[in-house]
Amino acid sequence: QVQLVQSGAEVKKPGSSVKVSCKASGGPFSSYTISWVRQAPGQGLEWMGRIIPFVGFANYAQQFQGRLTISADKSTTTAYLELSSLRSEDTAVYYCARAHGEPNRFDPWGQGTLVIVSS
Amino acid sequence: QSVLTQPPSVSGAPGQRVTISCTGSNSNIGAGHDVHWYQQLPGTAPKLLIFGNNNRPSGVPDRFSGSKSGTSASLAITGLQAEDEADYYCQSYDSSLRESVFGTGTQVTVL
Repeated sequence: QVQLVQSGAEVKKPGSSVKVSCKASGGPFSSYTISWVRQAPGQGLEWMGRIIPFVGFANYAQQFQGRLTISADKSTTTAYLELSSLRSEDTAVYYCARAHGEPNRFDPWGQGTLVIVSS
Repeated sequence: QSVLTQPPSVSGAPGQRVTISCTGSNSNIGAGHDVHWYQQLPGTAPKLLIFGNNNRPSGVPDRFSGSKSGTSASLAITGLQAEDEADYYCQSYDSSLRESVFGTGTQVTVL
């Protein structure tokens, strides 16, 4: 079955960028849709955006427009999230998840990547 | 800010039944979009618990059930067990935002 393994924790300075990876295994990557969801400490889940690797199409939650780039490399079956102009409020655990069905449901999830933004 | 509202917490004794509500609007649940539910155990990633309003993925006990009516949905846990202590989130799609949306989350405590 599908497994998603994410890159390790990051500590970043305010104003910098972070790139988190999500490697998929099991099943044809091109048929996936990968979504990214984040969770700030002690807070709820927040959908950030998604990508359809087969066509390279990505769409983003409005609040991240202009600051977020989601990409995918079909050759390595890896999806990426890049968030720029980081601020302390971006400190969170970032999850990738396979999205399917309409409306999208998320299953399975990666293990999460902690990103800390601190000066 | 979440567009789906859940109670912050619910609690019950072992063996009891608890329900968690998820209140939306005419642009999400009320527009006919299905609702999914996730369980998040402490320190772990969320796990799909219910999809398409009332369907359980393989391996999810039948103690968990979902329903949807109008602009709201509910998750019921019957025969509450200690291992059910977790955070629970509803999720749907919002036609106005054109985004997937999550509920505010509910912490379930087993007394």
